[in-house]
Amino acid sequence: DAGVTQSPTHLIKTRGQQVTLRCSPKSGHDTVSWYQQALGQGPQFIFQYYEEEERQRGNFPDRFSGHQFPNYSSELNVNALLLGDSALYLCASSPGPVLSSYNEQFFGPGTRLTVL
Amino acid sequence: AQSVTQLGSHVSVSEGALVLLRCNYSSSVPPYLFWYVQYPNQGLQLLLKYTTGATLVKGINGFEAEFKKSETSFHLTKPSAHMSDAAEYFCAVRGPNFGNEKLTFGTGTRLTIIP
Repeated sequence: DAGVTQSPTHLIKTRGQQVTLRCSPKSGHDTVSWYQQALGQGPQFIFQYYEEEERQRGNFPDRFSGHQFPNYSSELNVNALLLGDSALYLCASSPGPVLSSYNEQFFGPGTRLTVL
Repeated sequence: AQSVTQLGSHVSVSEGALVLLRCNYSSSVPPYLFWYVQYPNQGLQLLLKYTTGATLVKGINGFEAEFKKSETSFHLTKPSAHMSDAAEYFCAVRGPNFGNEKLTFGTGTRLTIIP
């Protein structure tokens, strides 16, 4: 079992550009969540996808958008990048509602985004 | 709304000494509570979780935590620190219901082990 995988591992962009980050969930998981972890901070919830729909969203602007594919993999898109978007972006997967009472989120290694 | 507060952004203990990392939560619904560990340049690994039932939960690597509703606390402990325990530790809370699974994290505690 490969666990949660994310690509790329590192990315450098300039202000105003757009970026797409990718995540493949752990085998058997159908729910994907995205978190932003700024340097020295705890992760902040961006949004969660289930059945290809955004189910829950944190306090992030519309520049942050996502998508979930039929194979449960997911993308995080950020438009009009700002310097403050520099962070580690973490993807987490979890099993679906049958086990939701006890589910836990398994995290990937993250994508380090640097905005210059 | 839910939140967690981790007391002490940095904690240093000697190898072999007790590890105590503090976490207090605020939640309007019965909370599910988690402790995660993060090693440098890595993602988060779950140490342990409390959902329902026994309030003393045991996790990996010899860690345990006790849910105390009266104190709204979920402190992490380990009887004897090991050099490999040096890492960043995050406490997190979420609601119990399907569809409300976002994790709210604390700001983290960096644990340093003194040889």
